[in-house]
Parts: sequence; C-alpha cells; structure tokens
Amino acid sequence: SAVISQKPSRDICQRGTSLTIQCQVDSQVTMMFWYRQQPGQSLTLIATANQGSEATYESGFVIDKFPISRPNLTFSTLTVSNMSPEDSSIYLCSVVRGLAGGTEQFFGPGTRLTVL
Amino acid sequence: GDSVTQMEGPVTLSEEAFLTINCTYTATGYPSLFWYVQYPGEGLQLLLKATKADDKGSNKGFEATYRKETTSFHLEKGSVQVSDSAVYFCALSEVIAGRRALTFGSGTRLQVQP
Repeated sequence: SAVISQKPSRDICQRGTSLTIQCQVDSQVTMMFWYRQQPGQSLTLIATANQGSEATYESGFVIDKFPISRPNLTFSTLTVSNMSPEDSSIYLCSVVRGLAGGTEQFFGPGTRLTVL
Repeated sequence: GDSVTQMEGPVTLSEEAFLTINCTYTATGYPSLFWYVQYPGEGLQLLLKATKADDKGSNKGFEATYRKETTSFHLEKGSVQVSDSAVYFCALSEVIAGRRALTFGSGTRLQVQP
C-alpha cells in the first residue's frame, strides 16, 4: 500500500484568499493526481502532476486557479487561488503504485475546505 | 466519454441484510473496474477490482462481477454489518491517449442499522 498524508486536514477560509494543500507520500512515485469532491458529488480529477514538468489539467480546470508544484518524487502542493464559496470541497491527493498483477490507485485522507 | 452510473443513496439496511449497489458504465475500450469505500472521516480505500470481463473481485465479504454484456459491476454482500456503513464509489480506469484516467460514479451512502 501507499501511505499518503495531507495538510491541512481541514480549513475554513475567507472569499478571495488562497490556500495551499500539501501532499506527502511515503515513497517515490512518478505521477501524483489531485481530485476534488464537491459536497454530495463524486470525485473529479483536477490535474496530473509529474515531477519536473508542468502539471496536466483536465477540462474546466486552469493553472491560474489551481497552481500545482511537484518539487520531488514524494511531495506535491495544490493551491486553490482567489477562493469563492463554490470552491468548498474535499481535495484529495492520489498516487498510482505498481503491484503484482497490475497497478492500484491510493488516496490521501483529503483536505476539507470551506469558503465563507 | 467514459462515465459511471450508480444507484442513488442513501441505502438503509438492517444488520445481516443482503446488499446490492448497482453500477453501470460506458467506456470506449476495455476498462478496469473498481469499487472504492470511504468510511466516515477517512480517505478512499480500494475495496475490490476486476480487470477483464467475467472477473469477480472480492474482499471483506463484498463481491462484484465484471459483466461486459450488460456493462455492469454491481456490488453485493450477503450479510452487512454496522461497520459497513460508508460511502461506496464505483469507478473505471482506462488508458486514453496514453494517459490513465479514473472515472468515478457519484457514490452511494450505505447506512446499516443494528
């Protein structure tokens, strides 16, 4: 398995501010993923972060709003910029690890963000 | 594009009842299928998976069979426990344009009463 930690676990922020979420993995991984889970909704992929290159964003998500850093193979950050109440969600970090018989995707505990 | 549809919740059952959570999918190729579980206050955990047609994934008494003919991957458990109360997500994984993508259903909340 993969041990993934996220900081903060939750936060309440004011409109117009920014929050940076950290994700730490217990071993080196090539790709890290950031997902958003809006209240009562499913998970939506925001972007894929590879070490040493620009993150790849999914349709509907842009770098100016969700800048991502990937300084090494065990760490990534996601910033939610210029927040509005619509950004209130759980943000999850995820990695894929190869296992016998295939690969498995592991998720962090999530960061619960409330924007007032 | 790919999509996953699962039954809406919440599903409320008594302990030892039989559970079925329906999941159907649309995909362009031959995806792998998963069930993830999210217990209260915790992150997503992989519950079971199946990588090809007719495969049966099983774990902790839960099972699901990859049915290509009906594009379904229904989750079942013969006798639920209070500790099974959680949100269950059906998901598919497919490599599209060289990139692996995981698509989730909307989640089904299960509440098991003693």
